Amino acid sequence: QITLKESGPTLVKPTQTLTVTCTFSGFSLSTNGVGVGWIRQPPGKALEWLALIFWDDDQRYSPSLRSRLTITKDTSKNQVVLTMTNMDPVDTATFYCAHRLITGAFDIWGQGTVVTVSS
Amino acid sequence: DIQMTQSPSSVSASIGDRVTITCRASQGINSWLAWYQQKPGKAPKLLIYAASSLQSGVPSRISGSGSGTDFTLTISSLQPEDFATYYCQQAKSFPYTFGQGTKLEIK
Repeated sequence: QITLKESGPTLVKPTQTLTVTCTFSGFSLSTNGVGVGWIRQPPGKALEWLALIFWDDDQRYSPSLRSRLTITKDTSKNQVVLTMTNMDPVDTATFYCAHRLITGAFDIWGQGTVVTVSS
Repeated sequence: DIQMTQSPSSVSASIGDRVTITCRASQGINSWLAWYQQKPGKAPKLLIYAASSLQSGVPSRISGSGSGTDFTLTISSLQPEDFATYYCQQAKSFPYTFGQGTKLEIK
């Protein structure tokens, strides 16, 4: 059974760097074809794909946020970490991590972690 | 980027109704399309992948169709648990993109 869970700060100040961690079980990120993605959702708004990391460490990013995002994996800890620099109040959102199927769909999602950006 | 446009943005329907939601891609994506259901305060739930394949555990009253640029999600007979917001997502190329969502409300 695949599970994912996000963790991180609930509140960050403007200009600070956000670090959110996805801890997963039920699969290995060293297995051919496996990927884990990050998606965010501002309050009352649509889903926005942010980044994805594959089993071979290939990393993909949203072009509009590329300069601010870094996604990494720690296979031994079963974790994927997303950092977002220079946080702004408009970045207030629920951040989700999710397991990617080979079809590109996200079949299992974490519960999400709410991040508020405010001074 | 591939833009995904859903219609309608919201729809009101009654229990037992048949409802269709449309998703249009700004360029061809073959069958690289997924549909999700999201309820308030919850993570999205995968319903359909590869445009028409039903995810395990999803009731058969839900179906997806289409290829290329035009896709539909159909719920054949609405049940109380179907009232939610629905999103499409293309996985043809990066960056992955989602539609703006369709809110399905009780009439």
